[in-house]
Order: sequence, then C-alpha cells, then structure tokens
Amino acid sequence: QSVLTQPPSVSEAPRQRVTISCSGSSSNIGNNAVNWYQQLPGKAPKLLIYYDDLLPSGVSDRFSGSKSGTSASLAISGLQSEDEADYYCAAWDDSLNGYVFGTGTKVTVL
Amino acid sequence: QVQLQESGPGLVKPSETLSLTCTVSGGSISSYYWSWIRQPPGKGLEWIGYIYYSGSTNYNPSLKSRVTISVDTSKNQFSLKLSSVTAADTAVYYCAREVNGTPGVWGKGTTVTVSS
Repeated sequence: QSVLTQPPSVSEAPRQRVTISCSGSSSNIGNNAVNWYQQLPGKAPKLLIYYDDLLPSGVSDRFSGSKSGTSASLAISGLQSEDEADYYCAAWDDSLNGYVFGTGTKVTVL
Repeated sequence: QVQLQESGPGLVKPSETLSLTCTVSGGSISSYYWSWIRQPPGKGLEWIGYIYYSGSTNYNPSLKSRVTISVDTSKNQFSLKLSSVTAADTAVYYCAREVNGTPGVWGKGTTVTVSS
C-alpha cells in the first residue's frame, strides 16, 4: 500500500504526449524531491528524472517532470513504441522515515 | 562506469534467512549510499533500506525487525539479510547506488523464491 498514488495505466498514439500523475502528501512530495523511474519489461528500473525536473545524462529530453504542492507529473512527448514500460515516481517520506515508490503506471503506445 | 551485481541463493525455505550480496565494480564503495529494493512478481517496487559506506543504516519500517544491511569495503560489497522469510518475500531483489540523492545506478536484479 504505497503512499504515492499513480494511475494504473495510460495509453496514447505514437507521436502524441502523455502525462502521468503522482499524488502524495506534505510528508513526501510536498517536502522532498520527486524522482521518476522507467522500467522496461524484464529489466531493472532506470532513473529518468531526479530533483523533480532534472534529467540524468543520456536521458531523452522528450521526458520532463514537474511538481506542484503534493503532486508531481511526468510527461512524455513524441511518444514512441520504445516508451512502452512501467513508470514509477518516488520520494523520501519524512513521516515514515523511508523512501517510497508510487504504485506504478503502465504506458501503452497504441 | 560503476556496475552492480547481485548474488545469492535463488531459493530459500520459509522461516529461514535470505542472504544476498551486491558486488560493486568500476568504482569504490567508499562513498555514496547503497540501497536494496525489491519487486514481488507482477507488483511494484519496495525500498528495503540503505547503508552508507561508513556503516550507518536506515530501513523500511515495515521490514526493520527482520532486515540487516552491512558493508564490506575491503571487498567492495554490501549485503542484505532478511530473516524469517515467508512466501510474501518472494521477489526480484535489486541493489542500487545513490545518484543525486536517489537510487540511480541499479544492478540487474536477482530472483529469490521462498518455498519449501
């Protein structure tokens, strides 16, 4: 039972834009950095966004992150078939004194 | 470029202790935070805990009573022990190194099944 809530799935056509939401609280998103991970089928997660909106070296700029209050979002523009994966948000939770992951969102390219 | 590799038994009996090791190559373990994260079949990610190279630790409160993470800087390894395992502990276990305050470099993962 994660404290960060994401939609189970989103789908969109190629070359379109999708947005994934991540809802939390003042003890996690509201007070700490949000990070996003992409997990391709059968693979380990890969860091996609850190500190709310920063891209690690080598990550496509089609990915972007944002945060407002106790919610965060990941946007994928110019959707490609290779973007089909599970996406997780994550943040430190001050109340739990631990790192929490979101429930995960499966992105399907139609 | 730093790489991480998990190793350990793929099958553990119920009530026994799960033991895994993460070997770090291409860089020194003597810096950064080092984490264990798991993923039950078909489910999401769960943070287990982390250790700083100096030995200080922080564990998931839901697992704290059963978890021990340790580091061996001479071998460039850190380890996970999870006691009194049940079928609910069946998962892919990942080790990871901190990058910019979050697990940023991950191993490929190792599958652990709890079954008699």
